[in-house]
Amino acid sequence: DQQVKQNSPSLSVQEGRISILNCDYTNSMFDYFLWYKKYPAEGPTFLISISSIKDKNEDGRFTVFLNKSAKHLSLHIVPSQPGDSAVYFCAARGNNAGNMLTFGGGTRLMVKP
Amino acid sequence: EAGVAQSPRYKIIEKRQSVAFWCNPISGHATLYWYQQILGQGPKLLIQFQNNGVVDDSQLPKDRFSAERLKGVDSTLKIQPAKLEDSAVYLCASSLGRTLGNTIYFGEGSWLTVV
Repeated sequence: DQQVKQNSPSLSVQEGRISILNCDYTNSMFDYFLWYKKYPAEGPTFLISISSIKDKNEDGRFTVFLNKSAKHLSLHIVPSQPGDSAVYFCAARGNNAGNMLTFGGGTRLMVKP
Repeated sequence: EAGVAQSPRYKIIEKRQSVAFWCNPISGHATLYWYQQILGQGPKLLIQFQNNGVVDDSQLPKDRFSAERLKGVDSTLKIQPAKLEDSAVYLCASSLGRTLGNTIYFGEGSWLTVV
């Protein structure tokens, strides 16, 4: 039972354009959502997060949008750069889960120069 | 600041053999996690420690996996006997605490291949 799903295994975008990565979840107890970025042969690194009391959080080129009614969140990268090419994981945490994260399967983003 | 250190980085073993992975979290981080990441999937939590106590090990296959964090700092994850399906990257992570907002930092992972 996958509680966090990233339905697109890969995404290809031209440099300078917007990248939109999507994530869906099923557990209504999730109250905090995160995006992690992973380069090959490295561990995931934290990118941006959003609490369930917000619908948008922005950090430089990265913006995360949360639609609670649809149980959907998305990560927007504008403008996309070749260095953004990596695997992006969506993760979620329950409100009594003690900082334990449930991850999606990841989306591989390729930004072409 | 040093990150989460893991060793070995790569290990190849035959099925039914045993293997152990070591993790040294970021200094001062009370919470330590072991995740298993199978190729093409997201990381899955195996066990979470708070200092030297286990917070959650509900997804740890206890018939073959064990983990300890005896002094509340370093941790070891052991698999005995290994199965083919244990081939994965084992990620250790740490955070200052368990409350909301405590960023989880991951190590580079230990890549296990069981043949």
